[in-house]
Amino acid sequence: GDSVTQMEGPVTLSEEAFLTINCTYTATGYPSLFWYVQYPGEGLQLLLKATKADDKGSNKGFEATYRKETTSFHLEKGSVQVSDSAVYFCALRRNTGNQFYFGTGTSLTVIP
Amino acid sequence: EAGVTQFPSHSVIEKGQTVTLRCDPISGHDNLYWYRRVMGKEIKFLLHFVKESKQDESGMPNNRFLAERTGGTYSTLKVQPAELEDSGVYFCASSQDIVGGRTDTQYFGPGTRLTVL
Repeated sequence: GDSVTQMEGPVTLSEEAFLTINCTYTATGYPSLFWYVQYPGEGLQLLLKATKADDKGSNKGFEATYRKETTSFHLEKGSVQVSDSAVYFCALRRNTGNQFYFGTGTSLTVIP
Repeated sequence: EAGVTQFPSHSVIEKGQTVTLRCDPISGHDNLYWYRRVMGKEIKFLLHFVKESKQDESGMPNNRFLAERTGGTYSTLKVQPAELEDSGVYFCASSQDIVGGRTDTQYFGPGTRLTVL
């Protein structure tokens, strides 16, 4: 079945460090891929998305590229800030139906 | 514009009791979804409403869970009787329709943390 695997956390980085959170997926067809972020005490917010192969989603300095050949959608940011501390979820949505499949989430803590 | 709201934010009940969770979607969103995250694992889909109709309830774990969306506005998710393994965070999301029956981005609420003792 469809599934998403993302790197386990927690991840702790110093401010201005480079961030990579790995995400790979298994799906039939051509799913859309998403990164959601959950800040403490809040709901999940869409961070970025990509709907077809080689698309790059970007927002707030974060980027992820839809790589069909490696079935990956790794999240990157060049210089993290304390305010980026949150839990990050990778997700896919099949091209049929509207159900999302999420990864387990990766907790990120950025220290000053 | 108000986002998706959920009530309560936390609920602690004993095994065998009943709990009802409520979700108010973004106004005008016909699509409403329930998800659950158990013990730090992945967020799993429970079901999908289109207006008041259940479009997909393939993720509902068993018949102790009952979801309703009377009138196509807010939704409730009742767990009766609750078991220990029902503990987790229950998320609600809503979205608009786009062309061809596909839905737009799902907007999530803050979740309800349910603890069953």
